Amino acid sequence: AQSVTQPDIHITVSEGASLELRCNYSYGATPYLFWYVQSPGQGLQLLLKYFSGDTLVQGIKGFEAEFKRSQSSFNLRKPSVHWSDAAEYFCAVGARSNDYKLSFGAGTTVTVRA
Amino acid sequence: ETGVTQTPRHLVMGMTNKKSLKCEQHLGHNAMYWYKQSAKKPLELMFVYSLEERVENNSVPSRFSPECPNSSHLFLHLHTLQPEDSALYLCASSQVTGVEKLFFGSGTQLSVL
Repeated sequence: AQSVTQPDIHITVSEGASLELRCNYSYGATPYLFWYVQSPGQGLQLLLKYFSGDTLVQGIKGFEAEFKRSQSSFNLRKPSVHWSDAAEYFCAVGARSNDYKLSFGAGTTVTVRA
Repeated sequence: ETGVTQTPRHLVMGMTNKKSLKCEQHLGHNAMYWYKQSAKKPLELMFVYSLEERVENNSVPSRFSPECPNSSHLFLHLHTLQPEDSALYLCASSQVTGVEKLFFGSGTQLSVL
């Protein structure tokens, strides 16, 4: 079974600074990888996903993530953070695209200071 | 707005009460899901319905009873809950049964006293 670890529970970043959120997964084959964001009082929204091909994927809101098979990682990055990026971020892994058993990490809370 | 609406937004209930959570999706999707979100824990998949048929019951206690009368509506009936059941319950939908893209509702924050 697949699993996800998000090592950072909470990250504080200044507005305009860069952001990187770590995600490590465990799965024996090629995983399907996702990043979701949850703003306060809201459900989760898909930021980006990786299924195959180019290992650097672009998402919404200026986010990107890089799949590194050798490190079993799928880290999320944003070059310049806006106050509206304060939210909780979840990494998730699936075994294949038609598998509904998506495994989520415990999340990383991002605080943005002025 | 994601097109997935959950009601109520907040619910407080005693352990002997019976209540229901409702989820409605306006996206024409064929699959619907219930997830449980507890603080600082990974989301837990509870139930999956595909074309109104339950395809997954992820070892959920019988005090949680799902119902999917049609592809647009999903209910979670609650009875004799425990305080540890307090959590945010999220509904999601997808076009087909799969993880390619899930659309989530805003959730129902449940408190069991």
